[in-house]
Amino acid sequence: DAGVTQTPRHEVAEKGQTIILKCEPVSGHNDLFWYRQTKIQGLELLSYFRSKSLMEDGGAFKDRFKAEMLNSSFSTLKIQPTEPKDSAVYLCASSLDWGGSAETLYFGSGTRLTVL
Amino acid sequence: QQKVQQSPESLSVPEGGMASLNCTSSDRNFQYFWWYRQHSGEGPKALMSIFSDGDKKEGRFTAHLNKASLHVSLHIRDSQPSDSALYFCEGGSALGRLHFGAGTQLIVIP
Repeated sequence: DAGVTQTPRHEVAEKGQTIILKCEPVSGHNDLFWYRQTKIQGLELLSYFRSKSLMEDGGAFKDRFKAEMLNSSFSTLKIQPTEPKDSAVYLCASSLDWGGSAETLYFGSGTRLTVL
Repeated sequence: QQKVQQSPESLSVPEGGMASLNCTSSDRNFQYFWWYRQHSGEGPKALMSIFSDGDKKEGRFTAHLNKASLHVSLHIRDSQPSDSALYFCEGGSALGRLHFGAGTQLIVIP
């Protein structure tokens, strides 16, 4: 069984550039999450999709971060324009039916973004 | 404001020793907790969940939940160097919100 696949593993961008991170969830999973991970803030939720519908867009991350789920097996996270403070690991996770049923999350290996 | 507080931030134990990690919630709506482990360069992986008061044991790992004090802990006996990782707890409720602690970095010294 394939897990969550994230590409690329590493991304280096100049300040002001647009970057797109990609995620393929576990096949059959209905819920998809994007997180940003830093040592200081830990895991911060950016977006949450349920059956391709955006359920949460991460409040403070709205202005330059946009996640989309074009089909049930592919999601993108666009950061436009990038800023040095966006340097972090971006994690994608999926779950069969998270809701209130307490299903576990399956995480990808993440994309490490460095903005110069 | 984080709803899940983890302690300690960092912990070193000798190989074969017992590691104890703690997690406290500020939300009485939480009904369950998950523990995740993240090795360097990888994404977090689920270790175990706990829903009921008391202990839950899975191999060398034991989770303990006290709902009255909103406290959950993870105990790793016979710690191995491969257990060196970042450990997260996650609290959740029927409202469907995800709240992660900031993590505890465990170092097992051979």
